[in-house]
Amino acid sequence: QVQVVQSGSEVKKPGASVKVSCRASGYVFTDYYIHWVRQAPGQGLEWMGMINPSGGTTRYAQKFQGRVTMTRDTSTSTVYMELSGLRSDDTAIYYCSREKHGNQYFDPWGQGTLVTVSS
Amino acid sequence: QSVLTQPPSASGTPGQRVAISCSGSNSNIGRNAVNWYQQLPGTAPKLLIYSSNQSPSGVPDRFSGSKSGTSASLAVSGLQSEDEADYYCAAWDDSLNAYVFGTGTQVTVL
Repeated sequence: QVQVVQSGSEVKKPGASVKVSCRASGYVFTDYYIHWVRQAPGQGLEWMGMINPSGGTTRYAQKFQGRVTMTRDTSTSTVYMELSGLRSDDTAIYYCSREKHGNQYFDPWGQGTLVTVSS
Repeated sequence: QSVLTQPPSASGTPGQRVAISCSGSNSNIGRNAVNWYQQLPGTAPKLLIYSSNQSPSGVPDRFSGSKSGTSASLAVSGLQSEDEADYYCAAWDDSLNAYVFGTGTQVTVL
C-alpha cells in the first residue's frame, strides 16, 4: 500500500540544524511531488515547501527561504527536509505528504516528526 | 498568518448537520480547487475532500464539499461522535506561489 514514513523525533539546541527524512513506498516515487507541512503545538497547519523527486526542483514558502533545504535520493525513494538556524518557535510536528503532479491535494500524510528546540 | 479564514469552532448533536465555511480570495479559492483535511486528535491530517467536492474512497458520503466564488464550505450530515476533529480547508495561492491552509475549525459533538 502507499505509504510515506518519516524519521523519529529530534531534540535540538537553538541555532542547530535538523534533517528529517520521508521514505515513500507503494508507488512510483518520481510521479508525485513531496510537500512538507508543519504544525506548532496547539496551532494550525503551515506549508513549508515542496520538491519534485523527478528532477529535484524545489519551491519554498517565502518564510523559510534561506533556512530550509529539501533534497531527494531516488535510489531509496527518500526525501529530506533540513531546517537550519533553529529557534524555539520551530518546535513543531513536521509532516510530509505527496501530491500527484498538478492535483493540488496531499494524500497520504506521514505520521509526523516532532522536532523540539530547547536549550 | 493564514490566508484562508474559517470559524474557530462548530458543534452539533449526533445526527445533526454541521457546515464549516472557508473564505479566501481571487488568488486562491477563486482560481483553484479547494481541499479539506480532517485531523483527529493526536494524529496526522487526512484528506477528506479534494477538488472542492470529490471524496476519496473510504470517506463516508455524509461529508460533502462545495465552492462558490472565493468561498467554500464543508458539510457534515448525520454528525457522529467520531467526527470530533479539527478541519482545515486548503488551496494553492497563485499570488503567493504557495499552498495555503485555513485557520482550522474544531468540531465538537455535544
